[in-house]
Amino acid sequence: AQSVTQPDIHITVSEGASLELRCNYSYGATPYLFWYVQSPGQGLQLLLKYFSGDTLVQGIKGFEAEFKRSQSSFNLRKPSVHWSDAAEYFCAVGASYGNKLVFGAGTILRVKS
Amino acid sequence: ETGVTQTPRHLVMGMTNKKSLKCEQHLGHNAMYWYKQSAKKPLELMFVYSLEERVENNSVPSRFSPECPNSSHLFLHLHTLQPEDSALYLCASSRAGQNEAFFGQGTRLTVV
Repeated sequence: AQSVTQPDIHITVSEGASLELRCNYSYGATPYLFWYVQSPGQGLQLLLKYFSGDTLVQGIKGFEAEFKRSQSSFNLRKPSVHWSDAAEYFCAVGASYGNKLVFGAGTILRVKS
Repeated sequence: ETGVTQTPRHLVMGMTNKKSLKCEQHLGHNAMYWYKQSAKKPLELMFVYSLEERVENNSVPSRFSPECPNSSHLFLHLHTLQPEDSALYLCASSRAGQNEAFFGQGTRLTVV
């Protein structure tokens, strides 16, 4: 069965500092991987996705993520965090064909000035 | 028009009421989903419709009843809910067979 682990429930970083949010997945075949962001009271917005090819993928708002098959990880990074990045971030995994995403529990990012 | 629109945004209902949540997508997709997001819990997939047929029902209580009249519209009919059903209900859509889902802003449901 698919599963996603986001080890950090909360992370606090200073504005302008770099950010890395961790995501580990369990899946028997080649996974499709996603990062979503959710602001309070809002729906989920897709930040980026990995299907195949280059293991470093670029997304919106200056985010990137790297797929490491050997570590079953898909960590999200940003070189310089802005106060508007404060939100909850969800990693998700899905099959190459299907209609089911499995989400992690989320990581709440706080940005201090 | 935003891609996926949910109405209402907020709903307060008594345990004996009947209400419906509505979702509409303008992305040309043909799969639609209902998710439940409760505090301190991962997103729970409730129902999936693909090509207007229900393809997934994750052991959801019968007090939740989905309806997908066409590929652009999805409803969640609610009746005799419990306080523990209070949550953010998210609708999403995608192309059939693809996992890249686009979400609406959700309906915040409070059962009193």
